[in-house]
Amino acid sequence: DGGITQSPKYLFRKEGQNVTLSCEQNLNHDAMYWYRQDPGQGLRLIYYSQIVNDFQKGDIAEGYSVSREKKESFPLTVTSAQKNPTAFYLCASSTGRLDVGEQYFGPGTRLTVT
Amino acid sequence: KNQVEQSPQSLIILEGKNCTLQCNYTVSPFSNLRWYKQDTGRGPVSLTIMTFSENTKSNGRYTATLDADTKQSSLHITASQLSDSASYICVVREGYSTLTFGKGTMLLVSP
Repeated sequence: DGGITQSPKYLFRKEGQNVTLSCEQNLNHDAMYWYRQDPGQGLRLIYYSQIVNDFQKGDIAEGYSVSREKKESFPLTVTSAQKNPTAFYLCASSTGRLDVGEQYFGPGTRLTVT
Repeated sequence: KNQVEQSPQSLIILEGKNCTLQCNYTVSPFSNLRWYKQDTGRGPVSLTIMTFSENTKSNGRYTATLDADTKQSSLHITASQLSDSASYICVVREGYSTLTFGKGTMLLVSP
């Protein structure tokens, strides 16, 4: 059963704590992405990785960190430096063909920080 | 700055009726345009993708059009069903760069 999995679906944390969101794909895609979605706003790119052991900042990387040690995995850490971390987080992957490569999205993780 | 504007922001239609959602963009250079469907609390799922040379593409009851000259796209839904209730997101790729997402149109199909 191929696809992208994100876990957990819901996550609750206290303010000041770091939290790591999981993203795994078995589509053999080279590129992986993390987006943040807030009500009434379009998806915003946090980080992306085109290849293992390499990643780039997106539009809103401050307060977040990532790693890409394996092709299948691209975990996102929301640090205590992120001023407003409560949001819906979406992971995506693509073949890496920037011209027409479609991005496939995971089911998302809803993070609530109080 | 690249922008993707969608209208209307939200829409309510009766089951069985048709509707059309709009997407205007200022992304340049244009590479391709996608329409995604996102159910509440789920990840977006691709409906169609169109490149510069394509002006119509269908996926079942969904038909997308593209006018690259006026930088406009529309998504037409025929004979709506309750399961069509979702947010529809227009996404435009700039050249070989990353994507610009619209805010989406929230569609509610009422019985």
